[in-house]
Amino acid sequence: DAKTTQPPSMDCAEGRAANLPCNHSTISGNEYVYWYRQIHSQGPQYIIHGLKNNETNEMASLIITEDRKSSTLILPHATLRDTAVYYCIVRVPNNAGNMLTFGGGTRLMVKP
Amino acid sequence: DTGVSQDPRHKITKRGQNVTFRCDPISEHNRLYWYRQTLGQGPEFLTYFQNEAQLEKSRLLSDRFSAERPKGSFSTLEIQRTEQGDSAMYLCASSYTTGLGYTFGSGTRLTVV
Repeated sequence: DAKTTQPPSMDCAEGRAANLPCNHSTISGNEYVYWYRQIHSQGPQYIIHGLKNNETNEMASLIITEDRKSSTLILPHATLRDTAVYYCIVRVPNNAGNMLTFGGGTRLMVKP
Repeated sequence: DTGVSQDPRHKITKRGQNVTFRCDPISEHNRLYWYRQTLGQGPEFLTYFQNEAQLEKSRLLSDRFSAERPKGSFSTLEIQRTEQGDSAMYLCASSYTTGLGYTFGSGTRLTVV
């Protein structure tokens, strides 16, 4: 699985959009970008994933650059409950064992 | 179905003791995974099962770690002769074979004193 780079921490004001970047310059053509988040004392929670097109669901939007070397997770209206560590993972779906390789993630602090 | 359940949520044990954690996956999921997470780090994959077969165990941290899933439903993770370095959160997850529906439990936090 390709390596990812994320800023260790970010702040966001409540109600504003949170834009979390991820660099994955060594991504292969068949690798998808996945985002998970982990709220304190809970297990990671799936947010969204995509291959090359932008994706949106009820939780977030995922913007992938045309060269696929980076992506941005957007939480359109951040709330205090979005305070968590956000992990960007690049992998081939159903890779050997479906194991997920987590980096250090970005600790997002949403402030009132 | 209430998701992936792990028991206990917290465990404090003395160094040298054996501990066992239990994971109940989502019932229709046939894959089950164990991860370990130390403070400030992302989760680290340990092992996984397809039904009752353990298909990957090379990433278990030492021979003191073992996992079972005897009937293809719940799983246990055992650590023998615990050491202080084993203190961590142990996470369980389950999914369909394709990886769809990948869901984590809330973990068992182990403290070795």
